[in-house]
Amino acid sequence: EAEVAQSPRYKITEKSQAVAFWCDPISGHATLYWYRQILGQGPELLVQFQDESVVDDSQLPKDRFSAERLKGVDSTLKIQPAELGDSAMYLCASSQGPPLSGANVLTFGAGSRLTVL
Amino acid sequence: GENVEQHPSTLSVQEGDSAVIKCTYSDSASNYFPWYKQELGKRPQLIIDIRSNVGEKKDQRIAVTLNKTAKHFSLHITETQPEDSAVYFCAAVNNDMRFGAGTRLTVKP
Repeated sequence: EAEVAQSPRYKITEKSQAVAFWCDPISGHATLYWYRQILGQGPELLVQFQDESVVDDSQLPKDRFSAERLKGVDSTLKIQPAELGDSAMYLCASSQGPPLSGANVLTFGAGSRLTVL
Repeated sequence: GENVEQHPSTLSVQEGDSAVIKCTYSDSASNYFPWYKQELGKRPQLIIDIRSNVGEKKDQRIAVTLNKTAKHFSLHITETQPEDSAVYFCAAVNNDMRFGAGTRLTVKP
């Protein structure tokens, strides 16, 4: 079964440091999402890509977060500088088509758990 | 943007009983409503979904109902088993996918 790959699985960093997460969606999946999940809460959308283009980054804290998907395949989410409140699970998900299409079933990666000390 | 509210936040049932989780959404243009199950330390996994042209969908012990007029949808689990214990998330899809806050279901043996 095809999977969404994410790395690293775990990251511990000190506040003010930079951190980066990588996601490789299922092959052929044009839509890619980054979500942040704080323990005990639902996934919160950070950014949505359609191919290489950002469709929605309205909830991305742009003063410290950035995301890119240069070739429309894998994606990187960066935080600089990290803050204590950034401690969370960062989930990547992908779907074959855009949200309003009939091919919008989402598959999640295993996530990257970030701890900021 | 879309706003999804989910209730209850915690639910405890006896093995064999039914469990019902309810969600409401705000954007009438939303047309796809998936439910995800997340076990401790694992990724969310799709368990059932429904599209806006259907009122009900069933898969073995799991069913989802959708009321577009009232903008709410529900997950029904019958004959619950201890392995159903997990956190369940609903979502509504319009231009993106927004999740509810989750329901922690505990099934007591």
